[in-house]
Order: sequence, then structure tokens, then C-alpha cells
Amino acid sequence: KQEVTQIPAALSVPEGENLVLNCSFTDSAIYNLQWFRQDPGKGLTSLLLIQSSQREQTSGRLNASLDKSSGRSTLYIAASQPGDSATYLCAVRMDTGRRALTFGSGTRLQVQP
Amino acid sequence: DTGVSQDPRHKITKRGQNVTFRCDPISEHNRLYWYRQTLGQGPEFLTYFQNEAQLEKSRLLSDRFSAERPKGSFSTLEIQRTEQGDSAMYLCASSSLQENSPLHFGNGTRLTVT
Repeated sequence: KQEVTQIPAALSVPEGENLVLNCSFTDSAIYNLQWFRQDPGKGLTSLLLIQSSQREQTSGRLNASLDKSSGRSTLYIAASQPGDSATYLCAVRMDTGRRALTFGSGTRLQVQP
Repeated sequence: DTGVSQDPRHKITKRGQNVTFRCDPISEHNRLYWYRQTLGQGPEFLTYFQNEAQLEKSRLLSDRFSAERPKGSFSTLEIQRTEQGDSAMYLCASSSLQENSPLHFGNGTRLTVT
């Protein structure tokens, strides 16, 4: 059974700092990995999707990397801003025949002005 | 594009009662998903529809849970004989048929079973 772990559970940084969020998964036979953002009391917003054959994806100040063989992904946020404060979740999809995502518990990020 | 809409936003019910939630996906999206999220945890997959066909169901979806998407547009999730352990946020998401199209989530229905 796939298990997804995110460390740390919470992180507080001053504005302007670059930061890295970590995601690990136990079964490396994934189809893709996605990063989401969730604001308090709201649904999730898709940030980045990395196919299993890819090493990284970039969108603006966000960069996600994937090391499938070691079961790890990182989300790098450059020049953090208070508006980046949210919970960041990673999720893996196992194969083309199934669409279910397995989520980690998230990292709660607070960027202090 | 008005986004994914869920109704109600909050539901408080007594144990043993039945509840039904509604999800209206983005109009052109063929795929619709239900997830459940408890406090401090990531969402857990419940079920997935492509048009009106229910193609995937989690083992989490016990006999008390049923989901429908009768005309391939809106969907309902019903929980019968609610238990306190059913208290959670129920999230709906939709996506297009394009492979790797992003999921668009609604703001969820928060269920409290007393």
C-alpha cells in the first residue's frame, strides 16, 4: 500500500527566504506526482504535476523535482512571500488505469512579513 | 468558469441520520471525484466518475456510502446511518478528459456528526 510522508509538518520562515518542502513515498512505481496548495477552510489548488519520466517542473517561483527511484520529491519556493502561507500537499497517482491520488498530510507554511 | 460548487458548506447532523451532499463540477469537465479530509490529514480518495459511470471506488466507501452522477453533470454523495467517525470535510473535484489535466477542487462540505 502506497504511503506518502511530508516533512516537516509545519514551517515558519521570514519573508524573502528560499525554502524546500519534502515529500517521500514508499512505492516508487508511480505514474505521476502532484503538488497542491490548500488555504484554511478551502479546497485544493493544483500547483505542479510531474510525470514519472520527468525530473522537474517549474512554474514561476515554484520548482518541483522528482527522484522516482529513491521515492522523493521536493517543492522549492523562491523568495517566499506572506501570500505563500498555506498548507502544501503532495499526492501520487499509481498507474494509468486508476485515477485515485494518495496524499501526504501536508506541510503548513507560515511566511512572516 | 464558476469553479466547482458544493452544497451545503456545513452540515450538522445527529448520529444515525442520513445526509446528502451535492457537487456541481465545472460544466465542461467529464471527470468527477470525491475525497474525504479529516483535520490535519491529506484528502482520502472515495470515488471517481467519468460522465455518469462510476469507474473507481475506494474500500473506504462502505455500504453506508453511495454516490451518483445520473446525467453526467452534478453528483450526489449520500451517507446513511451517520456515525461520529464520518465527521470530516467532503471534497469534490473535477477535471477534463485530457490526460494530466489538473484537478479543480470545490471548497468542500464540512460534516459534523453529533
